[in-house]
Amino acid sequence: NAGVTQTPKFQVLKTGQSMTLQCAQDMNHNSMYWYRQDPGMGLRLIYYSASEGTTDKGEVPNGYNVSRLNKREFSLRLESAAPSQTSVYFCASSFYSGRTDEQYFGPGTRLTVT
Amino acid sequence: GNSVTQMEGPVTLSEEAFLTINCTYTATGYPSLFWYVQYPGEGLQLLLKATKADDKGSNKGFEATYRKETTSFHLEKGSVQVSDSAVYFCALSGRGDQGGKLIFGQGTELSVKP
Repeated sequence: NAGVTQTPKFQVLKTGQSMTLQCAQDMNHNSMYWYRQDPGMGLRLIYYSASEGTTDKGEVPNGYNVSRLNKREFSLRLESAAPSQTSVYFCASSFYSGRTDEQYFGPGTRLTVT
Repeated sequence: GNSVTQMEGPVTLSEEAFLTINCTYTATGYPSLFWYVQYPGEGLQLLLKATKADDKGSNKGFEATYRKETTSFHLEKGSVQVSDSAVYFCALSGRGDQGGKLIFGQGTELSVKP
């Protein structure tokens, strides 16, 4: 059981470049989430997917797009990276049945935009 | 809207000292409350949770009691170890939130010295 996996672990982009962060879970969870972590600000929700085929905006969605490819995979795309998007990105998943339960987190992707 | 406030860190303690990390929240209704821990270079993992008022969550010697009258969920441990050095996040999820979204506090860094 790998849990939640994320690729890549590290990435450096130049302003204006695009990239996709990949996330996969093998726990048969229905809900998946993308967060960003910045010093002193905790984790902030970017987008989430309550179930396969649905996605919704979180607190800080601007500059990002997501795709729930299937039940296992949830990707985050930066179309035109900006220095303000320098952050650590975490993917998480959970089994949601109307009542919030534990979220399982991946190891994170450290992104630097120059 | 819902929010979580944690005491600011970093907190530095000697081994075997008593730990308290304060967490207060603002939410409508009856949220579920969580403490997550992040060890260096890793993703977050659930430490404990409480789903209704007066519930006590506990794990690995850590405890927190859901106090609705003071809207608090303070984390305590009687005797910390060097291995407890990590960042601790308080989080809540409101009842009925679609997809089990979590709202995190800003995190409190704990450093335990031998």
